[in-house]
Formats: sequence, C-alpha cells, structure tokens
Amino acid sequence: DTGVSQDPRHKITKRGQNVTFRCDPISEHNRLYWYRQTLGQGPEFLTYFQNEAQLEKSRLLSDRFSAERPKGSFSTLEIQRTEQGDSAMYLCASSGGLPNYNEQFFGPGTRLTVL
Amino acid sequence: AQKVTQAQTEISVVEKEDVTLDCVYETRDTTYYLFWYKQPPSGELVFLIRRNSFDEQNEISGRYSWNFQKSTSSFNFTITASQVVDSAVYFCALSEAGGFGNEKLTFGTGTRLTIIP
Repeated sequence: DTGVSQDPRHKITKRGQNVTFRCDPISEHNRLYWYRQTLGQGPEFLTYFQNEAQLEKSRLLSDRFSAERPKGSFSTLEIQRTEQGDSAMYLCASSGGLPNYNEQFFGPGTRLTVL
Repeated sequence: AQKVTQAQTEISVVEKEDVTLDCVYETRDTTYYLFWYKQPPSGELVFLIRRNSFDEQNEISGRYSWNFQKSTSSFNFTITASQVVDSAVYFCALSEAGGFGNEKLTFGTGTRLTIIP
C-alpha cells in the first residue's frame, strides 16, 4: 500500500447530474477526511470519519452531498444535482498510523468540472 | 474560530537565493498543531512538517527550516539555496485537538513560489 488513492482523477459532468467519487485510504488508517479545494484557495474541510462513523460534517456540506465509509475502509462522496459552484478539486486524506498518528496523508484528488 | 493567514500570494526568487514564507495563525486552543504542505503542479499535497503548540524549538531539515514563535502566532518557513524543484504552492495549516479524534486542518490560502533558473 503506497498511499491514498482516489478515483476518478477527473470528472466532467453536466449540471444536474449526480457524481460519485471514491477514496481508498492507507490500509491501517482509521481516520478519513474529505476536503474541497477551489482555484487559488487552500483546501476546506468537508467531513470526517473515524472507522465507519461519520463524526463531523462542515456547513459546506449541503444536503446534496453525502459521504459514506462502509466497513471503515474505502469512502465515497456523492454529489446529487450538481451545480457549477461544485466545480473544485475534492481531496481525501487519511491518518491514524504510526509513528505520527495525526499526520494526514493526502490523495491526488478528483477534479470535478460541472458544465 | 481558527484562522491561518498567508499574506504572500506569490513570490519569485532567482535560484540559489533564500526565501521565507510567512504564516500567521489564530486559535483559542492551547493545544494545537501547525503544518506546512507543498502542492507541486501535479496537485498532490505533500506533507513537510508538523509542530505541536508546546514545542517552540526551531527545526531544520536539509535546506528547509521553520521558525515557530507563539508570541507572534507565527510559523514561518525558510528555504535556503532555493532550487527550481522548490517551485510549488505552499500551504500552512492548523489543527486543533477536536472531538472524536477529529483533527481537521484549517489551511491558509497558500503562497505560490516560483524559482527562476
């Protein structure tokens, strides 16, 4: 296991369509985070999982967004009825390994473009 | 609420010059962590360093050094003898010891560093 992976790397969709992204964390990491990064900005926190439990959601996560982490392994982020304002890079990070359990390792991101 | 400010939007220096990236943070917590990440053109965030709020010792790692000053709430990053490969966007970030082990990061807006050959 060489790191956090995300799929797809790029997604172009039309406004109103639903999209789903997948994140595979580092296998021994029990914590998983989703962030969103728009052009020229730093990443912003969206949601946090510890194992399979979703323990915090940002106000940025409207009711069109849903995230899951079944069995505490991979995670999915779904956006329903996409809007142009959803265009961004969606980053996944995981942590919980030794020796630095709170160091977050980031995946390469999924770049979403909503036309 | 926590906040991270990186006032320098873009910096350009000639190769081999030293360059310092500034970071100022705000938090009400006494226990927190500060981070620097590098984001090269490929887009993946690369972890550089983490400091906890109780450790104000400066740190050096090769050409990189970090200056943490609690009195001014700053955590500055210096690259000595810069190289073209250092060209990237650099983010400073802050995390607090949140509930349920949540240590979500609050990022600054980043500094785009360009090293001119």
